[in-house]
Amino acid sequence: GAGVSQSPSNKVTEKGKDVELRCDPISGHTALYWYRQSLGQGLEFLIYFQGNSAPDKSGLPSDRFSAERTGGSVSTLTIQRTQQEDSAVYLCASSLESGTGYEKLFFGSGTQLSVL
Amino acid sequence: GQNIDQPTEMTATEGAIVQINCTYQTSGFNGLFWYQQHAGEAPTFLSYNVLDGLEEKGRFSSFLSRSKGYSYLLLKELQMKDSASYLCAVMDSNYQLIWGAGTKLIIKP
Repeated sequence: GAGVSQSPSNKVTEKGKDVELRCDPISGHTALYWYRQSLGQGLEFLIYFQGNSAPDKSGLPSDRFSAERTGGSVSTLTIQRTQQEDSAVYLCASSLESGTGYEKLFFGSGTQLSVL
Repeated sequence: GQNIDQPTEMTATEGAIVQINCTYQTSGFNGLFWYQQHAGEAPTFLSYNVLDGLEEKGRFSSFLSRSKGYSYLLLKELQMKDSASYLCAVMDSNYQLIWGAGTKLIIKP
């Protein structure tokens, strides 16, 4: 696609429900990143994929968070039993490859998650 | 631990020049990035420095000193549209990006 696409753009859910966030990276980009950004805060790294594998899951806040990527393209971030502290903007980014130093990230517009 | 420091907020006047500083302490260094993020929007790439010195790109310039663990982003001829947050990020020896909390730049007429 022309850019990184994320859906939904907004998600309001009740505490305890599961949510699934989707990211469609730029075609041909092998590296995909998930970040979380709370209001007025910097980017919090969650997980990154190189192809379909996730070499670094160290940023996932708890075992309620999981992510997968299939076909080297679309990725989903799943949050189970959502809590109010999960409320944030979830940003996805992709880059041509990783491990090269110069990796220009292209970000999607994010999913604003609100847990009531 | 790894740390990126940048001022929380800065204010400048339209038409003026502003310098946003970033200092870092990371496990190794594979480049420093600056991104711009307008309120409610995604970050967009501004610049990349891996060697010491100044990189100029139109009204924006970015400087790096690896020995000092220091970078700055220089914005000239400020315009109202430059009001945004500016994020500094460093790629460490594992090629992981470490992000600063961002500097919110407010431009006044």
